[in-house]
Amino acid sequence: QVQLQESGPGLVKPSQTLSLTCTVSGGSISSGSYYWSWIRQPAGKGLEWIGRIYTNGSTKYNPSLKSRVTISLDTSKNQLSLKLSSVTAADTAVYYCARDLVDIPMDVWGKGTTVTVSS
Amino acid sequence: DIQMTQSPSSLSASVGAKVTITCQASQDISYYLNWYQQKPGKAPELLIYDASNLETGVPSRFSGSGSGTDFTFTISSLQPEDIATYYCQHYDNLPYTFGQGTKLEIK
Repeated sequence: QVQLQESGPGLVKPSQTLSLTCTVSGGSISSGSYYWSWIRQPAGKGLEWIGRIYTNGSTKYNPSLKSRVTISLDTSKNQLSLKLSSVTAADTAVYYCARDLVDIPMDVWGKGTTVTVSS
Repeated sequence: DIQMTQSPSSLSASVGAKVTITCQASQDISYYLNWYQQKPGKAPELLIYDASNLETGVPSRFSGSGSGTDFTFTISSLQPEDIATYYCQHYDNLPYTFGQGTKLEIK
């Protein structure tokens, strides 16, 4: 079955760009009618959907983050990536990637990776 | 954005008790609703999709109902391993949004 694993720097300085990767195993990231989403969760708080990408590369972002977010696919590595620019302490969170089936969003999640924004 | 309001925000119940959580959407979302379970330090796990469909492998003591704006999540007989925070999430349109969560504890 498909598994997802997030990775990236655990510490990012304010005003810099946060860059994370999600590696997909057990299936091809570019096959089937899948979307791939990023979600985040500040410590002790609720969940926020960041955005998603379809297997053809088309993207949709949360308007609250749209000006700072880029999600992309690397089909050669079976990975998706997240870039969030101009970060502040408010971007400190656990970041998750998840698979979206066409009719059941976010049915499989990665374990998450913690990112702290601090100088 | 569609606002999802869950209640209660926390709940304490005895093992074997029936537990009910409600989720209200700020507008009609038909049946486009997921319920997730999140244990401490873990990722959310999908339990219910399309408001009432049980995800494969999820115990039958979990159930969901509702459509439109009002939804209910039920655990028919609470087990110790059910201690977690539960979230509803709509997918009627983008952006997806989540309820604020219900933290469930054993009494």
